[in-house]
Amino acid sequence: DIQMTQSPSTLSVSVGDRVTITCRASQSISSSLAWYQQKPGKAPKLLIYKASTLESGVPSRFSGSESGTEFTLTISSLQPDDFATYYCQQYNSYSVTFGGGTKVEIK
Amino acid sequence: EVQLVESGGDLVQPGGSLRLSCAASGFTFSSYWMTWVRQAPGKGLEWVANINQDGRETFYVDSVKGRFTISRDNAKNSLYLQMNILRAEDTAVYYCAKGGVDSSWYWRVWGQGTLATVSS
Repeated sequence: DIQMTQSPSTLSVSVGDRVTITCRASQSISSSLAWYQQKPGKAPKLLIYKASTLESGVPSRFSGSESGTEFTLTISSLQPDDFATYYCQQYNSYSVTFGGGTKVEIK
Repeated sequence: EVQLVESGGDLVQPGGSLRLSCAASGFTFSSYWMTWVRQAPGKGLEWVANINQDGRETFYVDSVKGRFTISRDNAKNSLYLQMNILRAEDTAVYYCAKGGVDSSWYWRVWGQGTLATVSS
């Protein structure tokens, strides 16, 4: 099974900060990587798919990139609505695994 | 409006069974892969199972193989998850999610979730 190692598990940041979250896959997953945002008591919300394609309606301050088996979600300037937990998810070869999540909290 | 509404969550004893349902509306249900994803209290997301458009292809996470069965009724626009031999570690909010027309398994549309609690 493909493992997804997500870091950090928690980020304490301020509004306006640049935020970077990383996921590393245990083997090649091509670009089969999605990012979600989840707020307490709510279902996840798709932000990015195919590693770097921004979902319709998602603000452009969110971006995704990849380098080999390492994938990055960047929030260019954190807004108050962005405090949440973020998950990466690989969907390669008829299997799915999520990263452990990154909670972005107020410093 | 595309909508998914789960139901069937309950308190059940270890070793028991539960059937979850997901009612879909606002899209052509029979054209899309469908999925169950769960989240244990205070924990992360875990994919559970996928089913293709005609129900002939199903995929499961190893921890539920042989115990859970995903199915669908396209005439009723409904997705199901039959859960047998339940364990305490199956306690979670179960979400259904709408996939794509291909096997790119990421999900734009999610239900609100239904809580299944396994406890004596």
